[in-house]
Amino acid sequence: DARVTQTPRHKVTEMGQEVTMRCQPILGHNTVFWYRQTMMQGLELLAYFRNRAPLDDSGMPKDRFSAEMPDATLATLKIQPSEPRDSAVYFCASCFPQGPQNTGELFFGEGSRLTVL
Amino acid sequence: DQQVKQNSPSLSVQEGRISILNCDYTNSMFDYFLWYKKYPAEGPTFLISISSIKDKNEDGRFTVFLNKSAKHLSLHIVPSQPGDSAVYFCASREEAGYQKVTFGTGTKLQVIP
Repeated sequence: DARVTQTPRHKVTEMGQEVTMRCQPILGHNTVFWYRQTMMQGLELLAYFRNRAPLDDSGMPKDRFSAEMPDATLATLKIQPSEPRDSAVYFCASCFPQGPQNTGELFFGEGSRLTVL
Repeated sequence: DQQVKQNSPSLSVQEGRISILNCDYTNSMFDYFLWYKKYPAEGPTFLISISSIKDKNEDGRFTVFLNKSAKHLSLHIVPSQPGDSAVYFCASREEAGYQKVTFGTGTKLQVIP
């Protein structure tokens, strides 16, 4: 049963602390996305990677957010220092490489709910 | 700059009737348009998509219509069922090679039994 796995599912932390969220994309998917769900912006794209290289991270606050893919099976999103306004649900998604199988469908993980006090 | 807009935050429909969810976009470089469904505490799941070269795609109770001249798409659900109650996100993908997928703000659909 191929699926995107995200950890942690829930995280409560205090302002100023470092937060790291992890994502394991579906095996064979070479493009990985990080989205944040907020009431006002819906699903907001933070960054995405292809073949582990960042393609676009313009949606991320650069001073505190960073995203990496140390290897093809792991993507990380780090917030340092965290602030209350970062409280949201963060989703990771992956998709097939370019080709007939890729019609834009993304496969999402269950999300990491972050609460910064 | 919201390139994909869903102007109705919520919609309430009686069971058995038609649900129509709307979406507008601004970027002419999108090649695929998609609808996702999201239940609470779960990730979004793919529902249906349409290529920019088509104007209609149907899958069971779900039909997506694309009006390129108006930069508008809609999702029709007929007949609506209580299990369809969820948040629906419209999404658009930039042309292949770039593959950036942009989502709208979502519409919460409630189907009343």
